[in-house]
Formats: sequence, C-alpha cells, structure tokens
Amino acid sequence: AQSVTQLDSQVPVFEEAPVELRCNYSSSVSVYLFWYVQYPNQGLQLLLKYLSGSTLVESINGFEAEFNKSQTSFHLRKPSVHISDTAEYFCAANTNAGKSTFGDGTTLTVKP
Amino acid sequence: DGGITQSPKYLFRKEGQNVTLSCEQNLNHDAMYWYRQDPGQGLRLIYYSQIVNDFQKGDIAEGYSVSREKKESFPLTVTSAQKNPTAFYLCASSTTGSAGETQYFGPGTRLLVL
Repeated sequence: AQSVTQLDSQVPVFEEAPVELRCNYSSSVSVYLFWYVQYPNQGLQLLLKYLSGSTLVESINGFEAEFNKSQTSFHLRKPSVHISDTAEYFCAANTNAGKSTFGDGTTLTVKP
Repeated sequence: DGGITQSPKYLFRKEGQNVTLSCEQNLNHDAMYWYRQDPGQGLRLIYYSQIVNDFQKGDIAEGYSVSREKKESFPLTVTSAQKNPTAFYLCASSTTGSAGETQYFGPGTRLLVL
C-alpha cells in the first residue's frame, strides 16, 4: 500500500521569503507524484507533477519540486512567496494500480 | 469553456434523508471520481468510474451510491446509512484514469446536516 505524508500542517511565512512544503511518500513500486493547490471553498488545481525524466519539475508561477528517490521525498519550494500564494497544498501519489493517495494538506499562510 | 460543474454549492440534509450531488463534465474524459474532504484531512476516494455503466468502490464507499449512465455525468447519492455526512465533496475527472494523468476538479459541494 502507498502512503503520503505531509510533514507540516501549517506553514506561516512573510511575503518575499522562501518556503518549502515537505512531502514524503512510501510505495513498493514506481510512483507518479503531484502537487495540487486549493484556494478556500474551491476544488484542487494541479500545480506540477513528476512522471519520469528530470527530477526537478517547475510550475508556471515559480514553484518547483524535486523528486528524490533515495529519500522518498517530493518537497515543494518557492524562492519568494506572494500574498496570493496563501492556500492549502496537497501532495498526491499514484501508482500503476491507478488510484491516487493524497496527503493531509499543508496550509501556507503568507503574511505581509 | 471546458470544465467540471458541481451542484448545488451547499446542500442540507435532514435525518433519514437521501440526497444527490450532481457532477457534470464537458472535457470528454472517460474517468470520473468522487472524493470526500474533512477539515485537516486529505481527500478520501468514495467511488470512481473509468467507463460508462461501470464504477468501483473507493476507500470509503459505505453509505454512498453512484451511477454512470452518461459519460458526462457521475451523480453521488449520500444515503441515510451514512451517519456522518457533513463534509466537502469534490468531483474530479481525468482522460482515461491512467496513473500519470492529472485530475481536474470541480468547485465542490458542501453538505451539512440539519
């Protein structure tokens, strides 16, 4: 069985500071990894995903995540956050069995 | 615009009542999913369907039922057997249901018990 652990439930940071949201997964088989973002009272939107190839993946709004197989991690980073990045972030894993497993989420709060 | 719509945005259920949540997509996706989201928890899969007239139970199917009579539609019924139905319900779809695909989510329905 696979599992996804998001190590921080809440991350408060000041505007323009760097941030890292941590995600670890466990799986006995190859996984595909995703980060989704959820704004209040809305559905989830894909931020970025790792399928294969380069272990560093980037989103269009400045986030990046690095797949680390030896540490079974897929941490999300941004060098300088904005107020508008305040949201809940979910890490998810899929295997070829098809179903997704989601972490419990990390609430990022960016303060002015 | 292509996307997923869910209705209603808020739904109130009385004791012993069945209620149905609507999910419609115009993305021409084969696979559709229902998730339940509780505060401080991730998404838990209720049911999913990869083709019309076929669906499978997810991790928390008890007290819920679905149908998939049309490709575009995947309604979820919360039955009276679901003793703790208060939650945020999210519908999603993906192209075929394969593992590496992005899931596209609707805006959600918040179900409250009176």
